[in-house]
Amino acid sequence: ETGVTQTPRHLVMGMTNKKSLKCEQHLGHNAMYWYKQSAKKPLELMFVYNFKEQTENNSVPSRFSPECPNSSHLFLHLHTLQPEDSALYLCASSSSRDNSYEQYFGPGTRLTVT
Amino acid sequence: DQQVKQNSPSLSVQEGRISILNCDYTNSMFDYFLWYKKYPAEGPTFLISISSIKDKNEDGRFTVFLNKSAKHLSLHIVPSQPGDSAVYFCAARDTGANSKLTFGKGITLSVRP
Repeated sequence: ETGVTQTPRHLVMGMTNKKSLKCEQHLGHNAMYWYKQSAKKPLELMFVYNFKEQTENNSVPSRFSPECPNSSHLFLHLHTLQPEDSALYLCASSSSRDNSYEQYFGPGTRLTVT
Repeated sequence: DQQVKQNSPSLSVQEGRISILNCDYTNSMFDYFLWYKKYPAEGPTFLISISSIKDKNEDGRFTVFLNKSAKHLSLHIVPSQPGDSAVYFCAARDTGANSKLTFGKGITLSVRP
């Protein structure tokens, strides 16, 4: 596997379910991100991790719980979600060792909350 | 309040012609700008970037222009190809916000054969 991978690609869950999204990067990057993309809206940054430490929580509701066990893996734990949480959830990674600031994205998980 | 604005939601261009995608920003602390391209069912992929100390950066068919005084940047694609049909996102980095990027809503480009 190369680049940034995300699983599952599609997820349908009820409001009382608990599920987790997984992201893995194979680029040797030290920073990882979760974004939410809703229709007709900009990408919304949710969380940022640098060297496994959370450096940004963009006022995200507690029903979204991130976990970063190491610099290559990032999880987003979901529980008691609302229908308005249905969106495309994108993971990205970047390196602070160079000054390009480019973020590399995974393919996303299309989440539907019923 | 949106700090990065892509006011035109869509653009349709004939194959072989120039595509010009515009982006405006409000935060004068932005020092680095990026364009991403996104196909359906895929994540955004990096296309081209420009530092605030430059006013132009070219990479093959893609050129980004930056007008700092107007807080405006544009992406030119010439000649446009049907494979360029995608959603294009403008993004900007704040010097005081580490690696955080602020994205626009995106523009859907359609290149007609």
